Amino acid sequence: QITLKESGPTLVAPTQTLTLTCTFSGFSLSISGVGVGWIRQPPGKALEWLALIYWDDDKRYSPSLKSRLTITKDTSKNQVVLTMTNMDPVDTATYYCAHRTSLTGTTVNWFDPWGQGTLVTVSS
Amino acid sequence: DIQMTQSPSSLSASVGDRVTITCRASQSIRNYLNWYQQKPGKAPKFLIYAASSLQSGVPSRFSGSGSGTDFTLTISSLQPEDFATYYCQQSYSDPSFGGGTKVEIK
Repeated sequence: QITLKESGPTLVAPTQTLTLTCTFSGFSLSISGVGVGWIRQPPGKALEWLALIYWDDDKRYSPSLKSRLTITKDTSKNQVVLTMTNMDPVDTATYYCAHRTSLTGTTVNWFDPWGQGTLVTVSS
Repeated sequence: DIQMTQSPSSLSASVGDRVTITCRASQSIRNYLNWYQQKPGKAPKFLIYAASSLQSGVPSRFSGSGSGTDFTLTISSLQPEDFATYYCQQSYSDPSFGGGTKVEIK
Protein backbone atom coordinates (compact mmCIF):
# COMPACT_ATOMS: atom_id res chain seq x y z
CA GLN A 1 0.00 0.00 0.00
CA ILE A 2 1.35 3.38 -1.03
CA THR A 3 0.99 6.28 1.37
CA LEU A 4 2.32 9.82 1.39
CA LYS A 5 2.21 12.47 4.08
CA GLU A 6 3.10 16.13 3.93
CA SER A 7 4.72 17.96 6.83
CA GLY A 8 5.90 21.47 7.45
CA PRO A 9 4.87 24.76 9.01
CA THR A 10 1.23 25.76 9.10
CA LEU A 11 2.06 29.47 9.26
CA VAL A 12 4.72 31.32 7.27
CA ALA A 13 5.49 35.02 7.34
CA PRO A 14 5.52 37.00 4.10
CA THR A 15 8.90 37.01 2.31
CA GLN A 16 10.01 33.90 4.20
CA THR A 17 10.90 30.54 2.65
CA LEU A 18 8.55 27.57 2.95
CA THR A 19 10.01 24.08 3.31
CA LEU A 20 7.68 21.11 2.98
CA THR A 21 8.55 17.45 3.32
CA CYS A 22 6.72 14.55 1.73
CA THR A 23 7.40 11.27 3.51
CA PHE A 24 6.22 8.23 1.62
CA SER A 25 6.05 4.46 1.91
CA GLY A 26 5.11 1.54 -0.29
CA PHE A 27 7.27 2.48 -3.27
CA SER A 28 10.83 3.38 -4.14
CA LEU A 29 11.83 6.60 -5.84
CA SER A 30 14.72 4.75 -7.47
CA ILE A 31 12.48 2.68 -9.75
CA SER A 32 12.17 3.68 -13.39
CA GLY A 33 9.06 5.69 -14.18
CA VAL A 34 8.31 6.72 -10.64
CA GLY A 35 8.05 10.30 -9.48
CA VAL A 36 6.67 12.49 -6.72
CA GLY A 37 4.83 15.67 -7.47
CA TRP A 38 3.67 18.68 -5.49
CA ILE A 39 0.29 20.25 -6.17
CA ARG A 40 -1.40 23.07 -4.25
CA GLN A 41 -4.95 24.31 -3.86
CA PRO A 42 -5.84 27.75 -2.51
CA PRO A 43 -9.03 27.75 -0.43
CA GLY A 44 -12.03 27.33 -2.70
CA LYS A 45 -9.91 27.27 -5.84
CA ALA A 46 -8.52 24.79 -8.33
CA LEU A 47 -5.55 22.46 -8.21
CA GLU A 48 -2.24 23.88 -9.39
CA TRP A 49 0.76 21.70 -10.21
CA LEU A 50 4.03 23.01 -8.73
CA ALA A 51 6.89 20.57 -9.22
CA LEU A 52 7.81 16.99 -10.00
CA ILE A 53 10.91 14.91 -9.37
CA TYR A 54 11.62 11.64 -11.13
CA TRP A 55 13.49 8.49 -10.19
CA ASP A 56 16.46 9.64 -12.26
CA ASP A 57 16.56 13.02 -10.44
CA ASP A 58 15.06 14.88 -13.39
CA LYS A 59 13.21 17.88 -11.96
CA ARG A 60 10.32 19.79 -13.53
CA TYR A 61 8.74 23.03 -12.35
CA SER A 62 5.68 25.09 -13.06
CA PRO A 63 6.80 27.84 -15.45
CA SER A 64 5.02 30.52 -13.45
CA LEU A 65 6.74 29.56 -10.19
CA LYS A 66 10.02 28.10 -11.41
CA SER A 67 12.19 30.88 -10.02
CA ARG A 68 10.87 30.28 -6.50
CA LEU A 69 10.80 26.48 -6.31
CA THR A 70 13.34 23.78 -5.56
CA ILE A 71 12.52 20.08 -5.32
CA THR A 72 14.90 17.44 -3.99
CA LYS A 73 14.72 13.81 -2.98
CA ASP A 74 16.35 11.63 -0.36
CA THR A 75 15.81 8.10 -1.60
CA SER A 76 17.28 6.53 1.53
CA LYS A 77 14.78 8.37 3.73
CA ASN A 78 11.86 8.03 1.31
CA GLN A 79 11.38 11.78 1.36
CA VAL A 80 10.88 14.57 -1.14
CA VAL A 81 11.38 18.18 -0.08
CA LEU A 82 9.90 21.27 -1.73
CA THR A 83 11.13 24.75 -0.95
CA MET A 84 9.33 27.89 -2.07
CA THR A 85 10.98 31.24 -1.55
CA ASN A 86 9.54 34.71 -1.02
CA MET A 87 6.17 33.56 0.28
CA ASP A 88 3.18 35.86 -0.17
CA PRO A 89 -0.38 35.73 1.20
CA VAL A 90 -1.57 34.53 -2.24
CA ASP A 91 0.47 31.37 -1.62
CA THR A 92 -1.91 30.40 1.17
CA ALA A 93 -3.11 26.94 0.14
CA THR A 94 -3.32 23.28 0.92
CA TYR A 95 -0.15 21.66 -0.41
CA TYR A 96 -0.33 18.05 -1.57
CA CYS A 97 2.33 15.60 -2.60
CA ALA A 98 1.38 12.73 -4.87
CA HIS A 99 2.88 9.55 -6.30
CA ARG A 100 3.42 9.78 -10.03
CA THR A 101 3.29 6.46 -11.79
CA SER A 102 2.93 5.20 -15.33
CA LEU A 103 1.26 2.37 -17.17
CA THR A 104 3.82 -0.39 -17.58
CA GLY A 105 5.66 -0.13 -20.86
CA THR A 106 4.05 3.15 -21.84
CA THR A 107 4.36 6.88 -21.16
CA VAL A 108 0.77 7.11 -19.89
CA ASN A 109 1.05 8.50 -16.38
CA TRP A 110 -0.98 9.92 -13.52
CA PHE A 111 -0.91 10.97 -9.86
CA ASP A 112 -2.14 8.31 -7.46
CA PRO A 113 -2.40 8.27 -4.52
CA TRP A 114 -2.17 11.69 -2.95
CA GLY A 115 -1.21 12.69 0.55
CA GLN A 116 -3.82 14.18 2.86
CA GLY A 117 -2.48 17.68 2.25
CA THR A 118 -1.20 20.34 4.61
CA LEU A 119 -2.67 23.83 4.89
CA VAL A 120 -0.07 26.58 4.81
CA THR A 121 -1.16 30.10 5.71
CA VAL A 122 1.00 33.06 4.77
CA SER A 123 0.46 35.92 7.16
CA SER A 124 2.35 38.28 9.40
CA ASP B 1 2.83 25.00 -21.20
CA ILE B 2 -0.55 23.42 -21.94
CA GLN B 3 -3.70 25.10 -20.62
CA MET B 4 -6.69 22.99 -19.64
CA THR B 5 -10.20 24.47 -19.67
CA GLN B 6 -13.17 22.75 -18.11
CA SER B 7 -16.84 23.49 -18.60
CA PRO B 8 -19.13 24.10 -16.96
CA SER B 9 -17.49 25.38 -13.78
CA SER B 10 -20.48 24.08 -11.84
CA LEU B 11 -23.73 22.26 -12.48
CA SER B 12 -26.77 21.19 -10.54
CA ALA B 13 -28.17 17.72 -11.07
CA SER B 14 -30.43 15.17 -9.44
CA VAL B 15 -29.74 11.61 -8.41
CA GLY B 16 -30.14 9.42 -11.46
CA ASP B 17 -29.27 12.16 -13.95
CA ARG B 18 -26.72 11.73 -16.70
CA VAL B 19 -23.94 14.27 -16.27
CA THR B 20 -21.30 15.30 -18.78
CA ILE B 21 -18.24 17.45 -18.08
CA THR B 22 -16.01 18.82 -20.81
CA CYS B 23 -12.27 19.44 -20.77
CA ARG B 24 -10.36 21.17 -23.56
CA ALA B 25 -6.60 21.35 -24.02
CA SER B 26 -4.83 24.31 -25.61
CA GLN B 27 -3.00 21.92 -27.95
CA SER B 28 -3.23 18.27 -28.83
CA ILE B 29 -2.44 15.97 -25.92
CA ARG B 30 -3.37 12.81 -27.81
CA ASN B 31 -5.06 10.70 -25.09
CA TYR B 32 -2.87 11.82 -22.17
CA LEU B 33 -5.81 12.95 -20.09
CA ASN B 34 -6.67 11.98 -16.51
CA TRP B 35 -9.72 12.68 -14.36
CA TYR B 36 -9.90 13.11 -10.59
CA GLN B 37 -12.75 13.48 -8.11
CA GLN B 38 -12.40 15.66 -5.02
CA LYS B 39 -14.76 15.90 -2.08
CA PRO B 40 -14.63 18.79 0.42
CA GLY B 41 -11.68 18.60 2.76
CA LYS B 42 -10.25 15.55 1.01
CA ALA B 43 -7.40 14.88 -1.37
CA PRO B 44 -8.28 14.21 -5.01
CA LYS B 45 -9.11 10.65 -5.97
CA PHE B 46 -7.86 9.26 -9.27
CA LEU B 47 -10.64 8.03 -11.57
CA ILE B 48 -9.64 7.71 -15.22
CA TYR B 49 -6.37 7.59 -17.19
CA ALA B 50 -5.60 7.73 -20.89
CA ALA B 51 -8.87 9.55 -21.46
CA SER B 52 -11.10 6.50 -21.18
CA SER B 53 -9.55 3.81 -18.95
CA LEU B 54 -11.13 3.40 -15.54
CA GLN B 55 -8.87 3.01 -12.56
CA SER B 56 -9.50 -0.23 -10.69
CA GLY B 57 -12.41 0.06 -8.30
CA VAL B 58 -14.06 3.03 -10.02
CA PRO B 59 -17.76 2.37 -10.68
CA SER B 60 -18.71 1.67 -14.28
CA ARG B 61 -21.18 4.57 -14.32
CA PHE B 62 -18.10 6.75 -14.87
CA SER B 63 -16.75 6.92 -18.38
CA GLY B 64 -14.35 9.10 -20.31
CA SER B 65 -13.86 9.82 -23.96
CA GLY B 66 -11.98 12.05 -26.36
CA SER B 67 -8.59 12.56 -27.91
CA GLY B 68 -6.54 15.42 -29.24
CA THR B 69 -7.92 18.53 -27.57
CA ASP B 70 -11.49 17.67 -26.53
CA PHE B 71 -12.47 15.29 -23.77
CA THR B 72 -15.53 14.41 -21.72
CA LEU B 73 -16.26 12.75 -18.40
CA THR B 74 -19.72 11.22 -18.16
CA ILE B 75 -21.55 9.91 -15.13
CA SER B 76 -24.36 7.79 -16.54
CA SER B 77 -26.60 7.81 -13.45
CA LEU B 78 -25.57 10.24 -10.73
CA GLN B 79 -25.40 8.76 -7.25
CA PRO B 80 -25.39 10.63 -3.92
CA GLU B 81 -21.68 9.90 -3.42
CA ASP B 82 -20.83 11.47 -6.79
CA PHE B 83 -21.53 15.02 -5.68
CA ALA B 84 -18.03 16.46 -5.74
CA THR B 85 -15.64 18.54 -7.82
CA TYR B 86 -14.03 16.94 -10.86
CA TYR B 87 -10.68 17.91 -12.38
CA CYS B 88 -9.03 16.96 -15.62
CA GLN B 89 -5.24 16.82 -15.88
CA GLN B 90 -3.04 16.46 -18.92
CA SER B 91 0.03 14.25 -18.66
CA TYR B 92 1.32 14.75 -22.21
CA SER B 93 3.92 17.21 -20.98
CA ASP B 94 4.60 18.83 -17.60
CA PRO B 95 1.31 18.38 -15.76
CA SER B 96 -1.50 20.90 -15.69
CA PHE B 97 -5.02 20.78 -14.31
CA GLY B 98 -8.33 22.15 -15.44
CA GLY B 99 -10.23 24.64 -13.33
CA GLY B 100 -12.62 22.05 -11.94
CA THR B 101 -16.35 21.33 -12.26
CA LYS B 102 -18.44 21.27 -9.12
CA VAL B 103 -21.38 18.88 -9.30
CA GLU B 104 -24.05 20.00 -6.86
CA ILE B 105 -27.38 18.62 -5.78
CA LYS B 106 -30.40 20.15 -7.52
